[in-house]
Amino acid sequence: VIWMTQSPSLLSASTGDRVTISCRMSQGISSYLAWYQQKPGKAPELLIYAASTLQSGVPSRFSGSGSGTDFTLTISCLQSEDFATYYCQQYYSFPWTFGQGTKVEIK
Amino acid sequence: EVQLVESGGGLVQPGRSLRLSCTASGFTFGDYAMSWVRQAPGKGLEWVGFIRSKAYGGTTEYAASVKGRFTISRDDSKSIAYLQMNSLKTEDTAVYYCTRDQLVDTAMNFDYYYMDVWGKGTTVTVSS
Repeated sequence: VIWMTQSPSLLSASTGDRVTISCRMSQGISSYLAWYQQKPGKAPELLIYAASTLQSGVPSRFSGSGSGTDFTLTISCLQSEDFATYYCQQYYSFPWTFGQGTKVEIK
Repeated sequence: EVQLVESGGGLVQPGRSLRLSCTASGFTFGDYAMSWVRQAPGKGLEWVGFIRSKAYGGTTEYAASVKGRFTISRDDSKSIAYLQMNSLKTEDTAVYYCTRDQLVDTAMNFDYYYMDVWGKGTTVTVSS
């Protein structure tokens, strides 16, 4: 099983801030990593796959980087609609696993 | 419009069974792998299981927590994926999402997918 450590679990930020979320793997996964956004009471939505490829329709203020064991999701200029919970997920090997989630809240 | 709609959730007693359905529309269902992901109240996401398309053998993978109790199947003629849940436990209480899985890479006899479309979910409550 590939374990994932996502940090921070809670991030307080203001509109316009640049925020970074980290995801670390217990073993290398090449670039087989996705990021999802989930708003309260809603299903998750895909933001990024292959560690850095933006899903169609996702604003360009979102970006992903990393390979191997260390990955990062960056929101360059936080907007009001970005306050949500974010999850990383590896699809390198079964069982697929998710990070614990990062809640981005208004400061 | 690509859409996934889950159904079949409800209240069930521990030890009983339940079958969830995921009805797809807006794409050629048989061309895609499908997964189930769940989220217990107030908790994070947990992958439950996966089924490949027939072109890739139609085989399944499961999380350890459900292996031997849950079974995923598909009916490509109806564009439906199923999650049969047996011997339910209180810890299976969750919102269950189905996902469409996009093949991104094949290498060295392995296939790699990411979950690109999610349904809205159906709630399963296991309680006496």
